[in-house]
Order: sequence, then structure tokens, then C-alpha cells
Amino acid sequence: RKEVEQDPGPFNVPEGATVAFNCTYSNSASQSFFWYRQDCRKEPKLLMSVYSSGNEDGRFTAQLNRASQYISLLIRDSKLSDSATYLCVVPSGGSYIPTFGRGTSLIVHP
Amino acid sequence: NAGVTQTPKFQVLKTGQSMTLQCAQDMNHNSMYWYRQDPGMGLRLIYYSASEGTTDKGEVPNGYNVSRLNKREFSLRLESAAPSQTSVYFCASRGQGENIQYFGAGTRLSVL
Repeated sequence: RKEVEQDPGPFNVPEGATVAFNCTYSNSASQSFFWYRQDCRKEPKLLMSVYSSGNEDGRFTAQLNRASQYISLLIRDSKLSDSATYLCVVPSGGSYIPTFGRGTSLIVHP
Repeated sequence: NAGVTQTPKFQVLKTGQSMTLQCAQDMNHNSMYWYRQDPGMGLRLIYYSASEGTTDKGEVPNGYNVSRLNKREFSLRLESAAPSQTSVYFCASRGQGENIQYFGAGTRLSVL
């Protein structure tokens, strides 16, 4: 099992739709998790942190399921501007070496 | 606030040429990282520096060297470029006690 796995997609959804991505991780000792957003040919930027209680920021909700070792990202009322690649990041250990998933591509169309 | 600055933004090299990618951050961060990103491969760690004066290998260090010149600057050197090193290179930094990385805009390198 790879350390961090994501469905590459693309997820192709209409404006206004609700879409969800999952990310599975193999290191059961991981304590914190992150979603980054990467626009085409740009640098990754932090979208949300994911802690035990989950996290909600406007239309975006991130959840953690420790038992099944996955995190999820839910986007409600999708906008055209949400089109991007969403990267799941799982840091490891005290030296903080983050492992990036390969990303899930989202395309929101009119 | 500039954040993380990478130079150059674009570069074309011939096989066997050498070059240094520069990275500087103005956030007083202790840790700095170099990644490469290839289509379908995601971000892969080349080298990192947990603090000034230390460097460690990441997942794909072969063909690269790094220098942590001071707290602000972390450079990546290709001694003899190969076509397999054609990629987008990102530098990132992280503050002590933080879990968030901040990325530069990237360097797009083509090796012919």
C-alpha cells in the first residue's frame, strides 16, 4: 500500500454540485493531515488542515476517519474557480517529512 | 511580503550542463525543502534542510546537491544535467513548530 493514495480523477462536475474526494494513508501514527490546492502550473497552497474533529471553512469540509485511515474533502456549491488539483499531505514523524498524494483533479463546468 | 522566491522561473539546458536553482525565504523559517513534480508523479522530495547548517536526502536525491547557505537561502545544484531531470522544481519552507509549508512559484527546467 502506498503511503498516501488519491484517485487522480478528473472529477468533472457542473457548477453548484457537491463533490467529495478521499485520500487514504498508511501511517497509522500520523497525527495531522492537510489539503493543498494546486492550480495549473502554479505552486501548491494550503487549503485546509484536518484534525481529529475535522474542519469546515465555508463551502469546504475536511474530515478524518482514523479507523479506516482516510481523510476526505467535501466541496459544496462548486464554483468554476474551484477547478484545480487537490493534494492530500500527510507529515511523518518528528523530522516533519511530508508525503504528498499525487492529487485529484477537479473540473467544474458551467 | 515576498514569502518564498525562486530563480530562475524557466531554464533550458543541454545534457551535461550544470546549473544552480536558487531559493530564498523571508519568513525566518528554519526548514526548507526542494521538490520535483512530474506529470502523474506528484511532488517528490529531493533534499531538505531541517535547520541552518544541516541537509538531508529525500526520496530522489541522485543527480542533485544542495547548499543551505544561511537561514534564508537553500540552493539546488545539478552538476551534469540529464533529460530525466526535466521537471518543475519547487522550493518550500516551514517555520519551527508549524505544520504548514509555503511554496515558491517553481522553476520549469528542460534538459535537451
